[in-house]
Amino acid sequence: DAGVIQSPRHEVTEMGQEVTLRCKPISGHNSLFWYRQTMMRGLELLIYFNNNVPIDDSGMPEDRFSAKMPNASFSTLKIQPSEPRDSAVYFCASSRTGPDTQYFGPGTRLTVL
Amino acid sequence: SQQGEEDPQALSIQEGENATMNCSYKTSINNLQWYRQNSGRGLVHLILIRSNEREKHSGRLRVTLDTSKKSSSLLITASRAADTASYFCATDAVGSGTYKYIFGTGTRLKVLA
Repeated sequence: DAGVIQSPRHEVTEMGQEVTLRCKPISGHNSLFWYRQTMMRGLELLIYFNNNVPIDDSGMPEDRFSAKMPNASFSTLKIQPSEPRDSAVYFCASSRTGPDTQYFGPGTRLTVL
Repeated sequence: SQQGEEDPQALSIQEGENATMNCSYKTSINNLQWYRQNSGRGLVHLILIRSNEREKHSGRLRVTLDTSKKSSSLLITASRAADTASYFCATDAVGSGTYKYIFGTGTRLKVLA
């Protein structure tokens, strides 16, 4: 299996621009998670989906952040408009079911200038 | 707020020595997991221990769980330079109604050759 795939791996954008991060979970996994990692705040859960349905989005910092999972093999995390404080590494992870082992993607390093 | 807090924040040892990291958490849990993160990479699952288990082994890893003290420890025996990484504990929460895991702040382990 290819593992969790994220794209792009690096993104540099200017403040105010829209940013879209993409994730392809492992085939057969029913749960998908988006995390953000910074030195100051550590690893934060932003949102997680179960069977393509958002279950908990309490970690989404603001309305500027939105996430979708149109099907079992694809999810997006969008930031519009982006701000410098959004600079972080964003990870996507998937698991067979919610409480199981999570498999992480390589992350997207986002820099907002 | 963080559910898990690792201790120490950083640890430096010589190759061949044992490394012990601790994790404390605040509320009752169903499961606790340990993950490793190499610099610039995603997290990799190491071991899961359930609330009714007290100890688990996997290769050179030994995890203990003390639910009365709300704490867990990860022991890496006969450490190698390749063990240099950050180590995180992740806990779920009993009765949360969801299956999200909250990650701790991590311990940065450096193994000197």
